[in-house]
Amino acid sequence: AQSVAQPEDQVNVAEGNPLTVKCTYSVSGNPYLFWYVQYPNRGLQFLLKYITGDNLVKGSYGFEAEFNKSQTSFHLKKPSALVSDSALYFCAVRESDNAGNMLTFGGGTRLMVKP
Amino acid sequence: NAGVTQTPKFRVLKTGQSMTLLCAQDMNHEYMYWYRQDPGMGLRLIHYSVGEGTTAKGEVPDGYNVSRLKKQNFLLGLESAAPSQTSVYFCASKPARGPRIYEQYFGPGTRLTVT
Repeated sequence: AQSVAQPEDQVNVAEGNPLTVKCTYSVSGNPYLFWYVQYPNRGLQFLLKYITGDNLVKGSYGFEAEFNKSQTSFHLKKPSALVSDSALYFCAVRESDNAGNMLTFGGGTRLMVKP
Repeated sequence: NAGVTQTPKFRVLKTGQSMTLLCAQDMNHEYMYWYRQDPGMGLRLIHYSVGEGTTAKGEVPDGYNVSRLKKQNFLLGLESAAPSQTSVYFCASKPARGPRIYEQYFGPGTRLTVT
């Protein structure tokens, strides 16, 4: 079974400051990990993924995430937040041998970036 | 390309009524998914399809049926709507091969209210 936890319902950060959105996961085998972003009244958009290799992955809009196997975490980060980054962020996981390529999503974290 | 489109965008049903949600994609993707999004619960997988003519159950399939008669279309049916099915429904698709094999592409969603 695969599961994801996003412990924070909301993260508040001032524009220009670094941001972190937390995610922990549980899978039986090797994890494939993802971050998606949802803007108001829109569908989800892919941000970045970890499949294998370097633990630090870079994605769209200046976001990056660090895979930590020992802590089973995949936190989303950005060095300098923008007001336009305000949105709902979802972490997702799937096991590498999942036949249907099914993702399990976390409950989402609302990021609020204030000017 | 239109990407993933969903019809209708909004719908209000009375308890016991039936309806079909249509998802269409023009990217020639093999995999298609139906999710529901409820506050604080992230996205939960209802049904999915790994190819034309095939469907499978996801995490929360009860009360829903699906069909994939054509590769580009994935239909979600509610035979007898219940208030618990009030939600926002998202369709997604992904390719089976190529550089974007791990990315799901989402439609804009259908907001369904059952009274």
